[in-house]
Order: sequence, then C-alpha cells, then structure tokens
Amino acid sequence: KAGVTQTPRYLIKTRGQQVTLSCSPISGHRSVSWYQQTPGQGLQFLFEYFSETQRNKGNFPGRFSGRQFSNSRSEMNVSTLELGDSALYLCASSPLKGGGRNTEAFFGQGTRLTVV
Amino acid sequence: AQSVTQPDIHITVSEGASLELRCNYSYGATPYLFWYVQSPGQGLQLLLKYFSGDTLVQGIKGFEAEFKRSQSSFNLRKPSVHWSDAAEYFCAVGPHNNAGNMLTFGGGTRLMVKP
Repeated sequence: KAGVTQTPRYLIKTRGQQVTLSCSPISGHRSVSWYQQTPGQGLQFLFEYFSETQRNKGNFPGRFSGRQFSNSRSEMNVSTLELGDSALYLCASSPLKGGGRNTEAFFGQGTRLTVV
Repeated sequence: AQSVTQPDIHITVSEGASLELRCNYSYGATPYLFWYVQSPGQGLQLLLKYFSGDTLVQGIKGFEAEFKRSQSSFNLRKPSVHWSDAAEYFCAVGPHNNAGNMLTFGGGTRLMVKP
C-alpha cells in the first residue's frame, strides 16, 4: 500500500507570492491533517479535513488555507508569503474520524518551503 | 488546553547503552499518547501508541513506553541503543473523543549515539 505522498518535496518562493502544496493520503483514509515544522516553533497543527470538511483549525492566520477533494486528496495554500513561512510542511492521513482505538496518523515526507 | 513537554532537547548515549526519553503531558482526560521518530529531512514514523489498558506498550525497533497517570508521563525506553537510532523523537497527545485526529507535539528530543 502506498504511503502518504506530498508534492513537491522542495519549493523556493519569493516573499509576497502564494504557494500550493499537495497531499495524497493512503488509499481509503478520509482524514488529512497538516502540520508546520520550524526550528523555533516545532510541530504545529494547521488544520484537519475529513470528508471534504474542515473539522479543526490551528492558530494560524487566514493566509493559510486548505481544502480536500472527494478522493480525499488535500491541498494547502499560503498566500502573501512571508520569510517566517519557511518550514517543513507535513501532511498526515488517518483512516478514521478520530478518537478511537485505531486512531493513528501516518505522515508523508513533507514539503520543504523556503521563502526568500 | 493540552500540552506536551519533553524536558531534554538533546541526549547523547553510547551505542549499546540504555535510553530513556522523557515526556510529560497535560490533558483534561485520559489521553491518547504517541511517540514518533524523525530522521533528518524525513517525515514522522510512529514508534508506539497508548490508548488504554496495559500501561507498558511495546513498539517497533525495540522501543517501549510506560504510561504513568500519577506522574502525567509517557517515557520512551530502549534497553540497548543502536547507531541507527540517532534521530529526533517526538511525544504527542491526541484527543480521546471523536473530535478529530489532530496531535499536539512536544518540542522533540534529538538523540545522538556515540560509537
């Protein structure tokens, strides 16, 4: 079974631009979560989607947005990029709605975004 | 609000020595607890998880963790460390109800292994 696939793996953007990152979850998984990882702030939850609906959102500005498609693939978008948005963005997929014994998040390898 | 603290930012152990990585959590109810490992430039791999029941859980790569409710701790242990265990380790807590799959992570502990 293929794992979580994130594309692209590396990205360099200029301040003020916008960027879209993609995540394909494990087949059959309906929950997709996004995390930002930086040396200063660590791993921070961005948002979670389940069946095309955003269920939870972390404490990030509105420049960060996401969506999920009917095939469970997800995209996140960051508009008006700032230098501080440079980070590793990780996507995780889970098979269930959450909270049960089988709750488990499987992570992709991430997209390394550098803003210059 | 839930939180996770990993008191040790860096730990260095000799190959073959035992290892214990500390994790303390704050959560209003019985949490779901996880340990993940991350190699440089890679995503996170689940080592083990605790939901309920037996407080000593076994994971992959010879790791185990013990849940201690009285101490709000979930420490990760390995009896004999291998050089390939050098990586960053993250403890995380997840919601126990049906609220979703979001995880709250600790700051991580970077493990270095001396030959």
